[in-house]
Amino acid sequence: EVQLVESGGGLVEPGGSLRLSCAASGFTFSEYEMNWVRQAPGQGLEWLSYISRYGTTTHYGDSVKGRFTISRDNAKNSLYLHMTSLRAEDTAVYYCARDKQFVGGFEHWGPGILVVVSS
Amino acid sequence: DIHLTQSPSFLSASVGDRVTITCRASLGINNFLAWYQQQPGKAPRLLIYSASKLEDGVPSRFSGSGSGTEFTLTISSLQPEDFATYYCQQIKTYPHTFGQGTKLEIK
Repeated sequence: EVQLVESGGGLVEPGGSLRLSCAASGFTFSEYEMNWVRQAPGQGLEWLSYISRYGTTTHYGDSVKGRFTISRDNAKNSLYLHMTSLRAEDTAVYYCARDKQFVGGFEHWGPGILVVVSS
Repeated sequence: DIHLTQSPSFLSASVGDRVTITCRASLGINNFLAWYQQQPGKAPRLLIYSASKLEDGVPSRFSGSGSGTEFTLTISSLQPEDFATYYCQQIKTYPHTFGQGTKLEIK
Protein backbone atom coordinates (compact mmCIF):
# COMPACT_ATOMS: atom_id res chain seq x y z
CA GLU A 1 0.00 0.00 0.00
CA VAL A 2 1.31 3.41 -0.97
CA GLN A 3 1.88 5.65 2.04
CA LEU A 4 3.15 9.20 2.35
CA VAL A 5 3.57 10.70 5.81
CA GLU A 6 4.67 14.25 6.47
CA SER A 7 6.53 15.36 9.58
CA GLY A 8 8.46 18.35 10.91
CA GLY A 9 5.64 20.83 11.19
CA GLY A 10 4.82 23.01 14.17
CA LEU A 11 5.02 26.55 15.46
CA VAL A 12 7.78 28.83 14.18
CA GLU A 13 8.37 32.56 14.55
CA PRO A 14 8.24 34.93 11.59
CA GLY A 15 11.60 34.95 9.84
CA GLY A 16 12.40 31.46 11.06
CA SER A 17 13.10 28.24 9.22
CA LEU A 18 11.66 24.75 9.22
CA ARG A 19 12.29 21.54 7.31
CA LEU A 20 9.39 19.30 6.42
CA SER A 21 9.91 15.65 5.60
CA CYS A 22 7.71 13.20 3.74
CA ALA A 23 8.39 9.50 4.30
CA ALA A 24 7.33 7.31 1.41
CA SER A 25 6.61 3.58 1.49
CA GLY A 26 4.82 0.94 -0.52
CA PHE A 27 6.36 1.88 -3.86
CA THR A 28 9.72 2.47 -5.53
CA PHE A 29 10.25 6.07 -4.53
CA SER A 30 12.93 6.84 -7.10
CA GLU A 31 10.52 6.08 -9.95
CA TYR A 32 8.14 8.93 -9.14
CA GLU A 33 8.13 12.69 -9.39
CA MET A 34 6.98 14.42 -6.23
CA ASN A 35 5.35 17.68 -5.18
CA TRP A 36 4.44 19.86 -2.21
CA VAL A 37 1.03 21.51 -1.96
CA ARG A 38 -0.33 23.63 0.87
CA GLN A 39 -3.68 24.84 2.12
CA ALA A 40 -4.05 27.88 4.35
CA PRO A 41 -6.84 27.70 6.94
CA GLY A 42 -10.22 27.90 5.23
CA GLN A 43 -8.59 28.45 1.83
CA GLY A 44 -8.00 26.50 -1.35
CA LEU A 45 -5.09 24.40 -2.52
CA GLU A 46 -1.83 26.03 -3.57
CA TRP A 47 0.80 24.09 -5.53
CA LEU A 48 4.26 24.91 -4.16
CA SER A 49 7.00 22.82 -5.66
CA TYR A 50 7.99 19.87 -7.88
CA ILE A 51 11.05 17.63 -8.01
CA SER A 52 12.01 15.13 -10.69
CA ARG A 53 12.80 11.49 -9.95
CA TYR A 54 16.51 12.05 -9.29
CA GLY A 55 16.28 15.63 -8.09
CA THR A 56 17.86 17.16 -11.17
CA THR A 57 14.86 19.36 -11.99
CA THR A 58 12.83 21.48 -9.58
CA HIS A 59 10.07 24.06 -9.96
CA TYR A 60 8.54 26.50 -7.48
CA GLY A 61 5.49 28.66 -7.13
CA ASP A 62 6.05 32.40 -7.12
CA SER A 63 5.03 32.78 -3.47
CA VAL A 64 7.86 30.53 -2.23
CA LYS A 65 10.53 30.92 -4.89
CA GLY A 66 13.85 31.86 -3.29
CA ARG A 67 12.64 30.96 0.21
CA PHE A 68 11.73 27.26 -0.03
CA THR A 69 13.89 24.42 -1.36
CA ILE A 70 12.61 21.00 -2.36
CA SER A 71 14.92 18.00 -2.22
CA ARG A 72 14.80 14.24 -1.95
CA ASP A 73 16.90 11.31 -0.76
CA ASN A 74 15.97 8.24 -2.77
CA ALA A 75 18.10 6.02 -0.54
CA LYS A 76 15.95 7.07 2.42
CA ASN A 77 12.65 7.16 0.47
CA SER A 78 12.19 10.70 1.66
CA LEU A 79 11.10 14.05 0.26
CA TYR A 80 11.93 17.34 1.95
CA LEU A 81 10.88 20.96 1.93
CA HIS A 82 13.30 23.40 3.53
CA MET A 83 11.45 26.59 4.35
CA THR A 84 13.21 29.84 5.27
CA SER A 85 12.20 33.46 5.89
CA LEU A 86 8.80 32.23 7.02
CA ARG A 87 5.89 34.64 7.09
CA ALA A 88 2.48 34.58 8.74
CA GLU A 89 0.94 33.87 5.33
CA ASP A 90 2.91 30.60 5.15
CA THR A 91 0.66 29.21 7.89
CA ALA A 92 -1.01 26.21 6.31
CA VAL A 93 -1.36 22.47 6.15
CA TYR A 94 1.42 21.16 3.93
CA TYR A 95 0.91 18.03 1.82
CA CYS A 96 3.37 15.93 -0.12
CA ALA A 97 1.90 14.36 -3.23
CA ARG A 98 3.04 11.76 -5.75
CA ASP A 99 2.68 12.36 -9.47
CA LYS A 100 0.70 9.93 -11.56
CA GLN A 101 3.31 8.60 -13.98
CA PHE A 102 3.29 9.88 -17.56
CA VAL A 103 -0.11 11.59 -17.39
CA GLY A 104 0.14 13.92 -14.41
CA GLY A 105 -2.21 14.60 -11.57
CA PHE A 106 -1.45 13.79 -7.96
CA GLU A 107 -2.62 10.25 -7.31
CA HIS A 108 -1.39 9.85 -3.75
CA TRP A 109 -1.25 12.40 -0.94
CA GLY A 110 0.01 12.41 2.60
CA PRO A 111 -2.41 13.35 5.39
CA GLY A 112 -0.75 16.76 5.71
CA ILE A 113 1.18 18.55 8.45
CA LEU A 114 0.34 21.89 10.01
CA VAL A 115 2.84 24.74 10.02
CA VAL A 116 1.97 27.83 12.05
CA VAL A 117 4.06 30.97 11.66
CA SER A 118 3.42 33.26 14.60
CA SER A 119 5.22 35.15 17.33
CA ASP B 1 1.03 31.66 -15.09
CA ILE B 2 -2.15 29.88 -16.14
CA HIS B 3 -5.16 30.92 -14.10
CA LEU B 4 -8.07 28.54 -13.51
CA THR B 5 -11.56 29.83 -12.71
CA GLN B 6 -14.16 27.42 -11.37
CA SER B 7 -17.87 28.06 -11.46
CA PRO B 8 -19.87 28.07 -9.40
CA SER B 9 -17.88 28.61 -6.21
CA PHE B 10 -20.80 27.26 -4.15
CA LEU B 11 -23.46 24.81 -5.20
CA SER B 12 -26.45 23.48 -3.28
CA ALA B 13 -27.97 20.25 -4.48
CA SER B 14 -29.91 17.21 -3.31
CA VAL B 15 -29.13 13.52 -3.23
CA GLY B 16 -29.87 12.10 -6.67
CA ASP B 17 -29.30 15.38 -8.51
CA ARG B 18 -27.02 15.71 -11.53
CA VAL B 19 -24.47 18.49 -11.07
CA THR B 20 -21.84 20.05 -13.28
CA ILE B 21 -18.83 22.13 -12.26
CA THR B 22 -16.94 24.17 -14.85
CA CYS B 23 -13.24 25.03 -14.90
CA ARG B 24 -11.95 27.64 -17.35
CA ALA B 25 -8.25 28.13 -18.08
CA SER B 26 -6.74 31.48 -19.00
CA LEU B 27 -4.68 29.77 -21.74
CA GLY B 28 -5.15 26.56 -23.67
CA ILE B 29 -3.95 23.50 -21.77
CA ASN B 30 -5.00 20.72 -24.19
CA ASN B 31 -6.27 17.97 -21.86
CA PHE B 32 -3.74 18.52 -19.08
CA LEU B 33 -6.33 18.87 -16.36
CA ALA B 34 -7.11 16.95 -13.18
CA TRP B 35 -10.06 17.06 -10.79
CA TYR B 36 -9.92 16.42 -7.05
CA GLN B 37 -12.42 15.94 -4.25
CA GLN B 38 -11.60 17.11 -0.74
CA GLN B 39 -13.57 16.23 2.36
CA PRO B 40 -13.17 18.49 5.42
CA GLY B 41 -9.96 17.79 7.30
CA LYS B 42 -8.73 15.30 4.70
CA ALA B 43 -6.21 15.32 1.89
CA PRO B 44 -7.54 15.77 -1.65
CA ARG B 45 -8.42 12.69 -3.70
CA LEU B 46 -7.74 12.44 -7.41
CA LEU B 47 -10.96 11.80 -9.35
CA ILE B 48 -10.16 12.55 -12.98
CA TYR B 49 -6.88 12.95 -14.89
CA SER B 50 -6.16 13.91 -18.49
CA ALA B 51 -9.47 15.82 -18.37
CA SER B 52 -11.66 12.77 -18.84
CA LYS B 53 -10.01 9.63 -17.47
CA LEU B 54 -11.46 8.16 -14.32
CA GLU B 55 -8.96 7.34 -11.59
CA ASP B 56 -9.01 3.75 -10.35
CA GLY B 57 -11.59 3.20 -7.64
CA VAL B 58 -13.59 6.34 -8.40
CA PRO B 59 -17.30 5.66 -8.95
CA SER B 60 -18.54 5.87 -12.52
CA ARG B 61 -21.06 8.58 -11.61
CA PHE B 62 -18.11 10.98 -11.87
CA SER B 63 -17.07 12.06 -15.37
CA GLY B 64 -14.90 14.75 -16.87
CA SER B 65 -14.84 16.38 -20.27
CA GLY B 66 -13.30 19.26 -22.15
CA SER B 67 -10.16 20.36 -23.85
CA GLY B 68 -8.31 23.60 -24.46
CA THR B 69 -9.73 26.18 -22.06
CA GLU B 70 -13.07 24.80 -20.87
CA PHE B 71 -13.62 21.71 -18.78
CA THR B 72 -16.44 20.16 -16.81
CA LEU B 73 -16.80 17.71 -13.96
CA THR B 74 -20.19 16.02 -13.80
CA ILE B 75 -21.65 13.90 -11.03
CA SER B 76 -24.59 12.03 -12.55
CA SER B 77 -26.50 11.20 -9.37
CA LEU B 78 -25.29 12.76 -6.14
CA GLN B 79 -24.67 10.48 -3.19
CA PRO B 80 -24.36 11.65 0.42
CA GLU B 81 -20.59 11.11 0.38
CA ASP B 82 -20.18 13.45 -2.63
CA PHE B 83 -20.85 16.60 -0.63
CA ALA B 84 -17.35 18.05 -0.51
CA THR B 85 -15.15 20.66 -2.16
CA TYR B 86 -13.91 20.06 -5.70
CA TYR B 87 -10.78 21.50 -7.32
CA CYS B 88 -9.45 21.49 -10.84
CA GLN B 89 -5.70 21.66 -11.52
CA GLN B 90 -3.77 22.30 -14.70
CA ILE B 91 -0.66 20.22 -15.28
CA LYS B 92 0.35 21.70 -18.62
CA THR B 93 2.93 24.17 -17.35
CA TYR B 94 4.54 25.16 -14.06
CA PRO B 95 3.25 26.41 -11.69
CA HIS B 96 0.63 23.65 -11.62
CA THR B 97 -2.15 25.96 -10.50
CA PHE B 98 -5.44 24.93 -8.89
CA GLY B 99 -8.82 26.48 -9.34
CA GLN B 100 -10.31 28.26 -6.33
CA GLY B 101 -12.61 25.36 -5.51
CA THR B 102 -16.33 24.58 -5.65
CA LYS B 103 -18.06 23.72 -2.40
CA LEU B 104 -20.95 21.33 -2.95
CA GLU B 105 -23.47 21.48 -0.13
CA ILE B 106 -26.64 19.60 0.68
CA LYS B 107 -29.79 21.53 -0.14
